[in-house]
Amino acid sequence: DTEVTQTPKHLVMGMTNKKSLKCEQHMGHRAMYWYKQKAKKPPELMFVYSYEKLSINESVPSRFSPECPNSSLLNLHLHALQPEDSALYLCASRWRDRDQGSPLHFGNGTRLTVT
Amino acid sequence: SQELEQSPQSLIVQEGKNLTINCTSSKTLYGLYWYKQKYGEGLIFLMMLQKGGEEKSHEKITAKLDEKKQQSSLHITASQPSHAGIYLCGAGAVSGAGSYQLTFGKGTKLSVIP
Repeated sequence: DTEVTQTPKHLVMGMTNKKSLKCEQHMGHRAMYWYKQKAKKPPELMFVYSYEKLSINESVPSRFSPECPNSSLLNLHLHALQPEDSALYLCASRWRDRDQGSPLHFGNGTRLTVT
Repeated sequence: SQELEQSPQSLIVQEGKNLTINCTSSKTLYGLYWYKQKYGEGLIFLMMLQKGGEEKSHEKITAKLDEKKQQSSLHITASQPSHAGIYLCGAGAVSGAGSYQLTFGKGTKLSVIP
């Protein structure tokens, strides 16, 4: 069982909908990440939060809006998505963003389908 | 940017056979991570290697980082159906903003036939 919990597991939304993905960890990690993974492709980094502050935005469109309300929670707010945004969205955390000795711990992901 | 090439892309083996997956980097590796992913699920951390020549084992899986730190191999001994999945190598690098990020290879899909 993963120690990073993501909800929901599956999400189907229309292009005009607003929805949110949630991620939670209680390992005391202060770095949290959103990755996007298309079918048969490796995960691609979207956002990095370090100590609840956004440190990296990998040129992600504004229809994706991340939020880190506290050290245990990470949200990804979705609005006006396109069908090509359909993918597996993975949340990950690690001890500290600049700690090169600690691995990423991933959640099981949210499978998003945009219709 | 750093690129990771994994080989083979896919592998089908008979249960009980040994196998090796390779990960080659275009640049020196300062941290190499191996993950396993089942279809549609998250990545499970297997091992991390940081020093040239380092070798780590967990149960029947052994990972090595070569002396020049540009290639890693993952070896599975006496494969079992539970080993089936996609194996991804990931390399760490510090971005211009000081963030330590992982980029991943394209993965190796392993099937184990009972």
